[in-house]
Amino acid sequence: DVKVTQSSRYLVKRTGEKVFLECVQDMDHENMFWYRQDPGLGLRLIYFSYDVKMKEKGDIPEGYSVSREKKERFSLILESASTNQTSMYLCASSLRATNEKLFFGSGTQLSVL
Amino acid sequence: EDQVTQSPEALRLQEGESSSLNCSYTVSGLRGLFWYRQDPGKGPEFLFTLYSAGEEKEKERLKATLTKKESFLHITAPKPEDSATYLCAVQPLKTSYDKVIFGPGTSLSVIP
Repeated sequence: DVKVTQSSRYLVKRTGEKVFLECVQDMDHENMFWYRQDPGLGLRLIYFSYDVKMKEKGDIPEGYSVSREKKERFSLILESASTNQTSMYLCASSLRATNEKLFFGSGTQLSVL
Repeated sequence: EDQVTQSPEALRLQEGESSSLNCSYTVSGLRGLFWYRQDPGKGPEFLFTLYSAGEEKEKERLKATLTKKESFLHITAPKPEDSATYLCAVQPLKTSYDKVIFGPGTSLSVIP
């Protein structure tokens, strides 16, 4: 089975801190995604990567950046964390083809105080 | 604008009481519609993909159906272990990448 691993289950950070969320997948998937999930809003796409060093903005990229130096690893960076970035962050991966299902990690619950 | 809505927001069923969850979508062409299950504290887990109106897929007590405007997830004789949030997502035809749009989900509770 595909495994998508997120480095932290819970994180508590201070406003203004730089935050790194790490995600690793073990099935050689081309696509990797970062979503945030908020009650009543569903999953919203932050950034997407379809290859090493490639990235595309999703629906809500403001305040975030990403890095993909290796195929299996996709990092989400909050340059200066703010309280409105408190959320559940989910990483996902998939094969590069249409209608391919997403495999999700267990999520990182980030609280910014 | 591409959009996905789900109803009801929450559903509480007695064990064995069958029901349906609704997913309504507005997209300029549909590549595929997905159903995922999400347990508390976990990431969503894939259930089904539907591609065209009239298509049906089944898995244990779950059956997903698709029309041109909506999809239903039918749950027959549910058990407590079916309690979860069920997410619907669509992939529009016109997308520059493998984008899916998620609905807000339906939280299902099955009471013994």
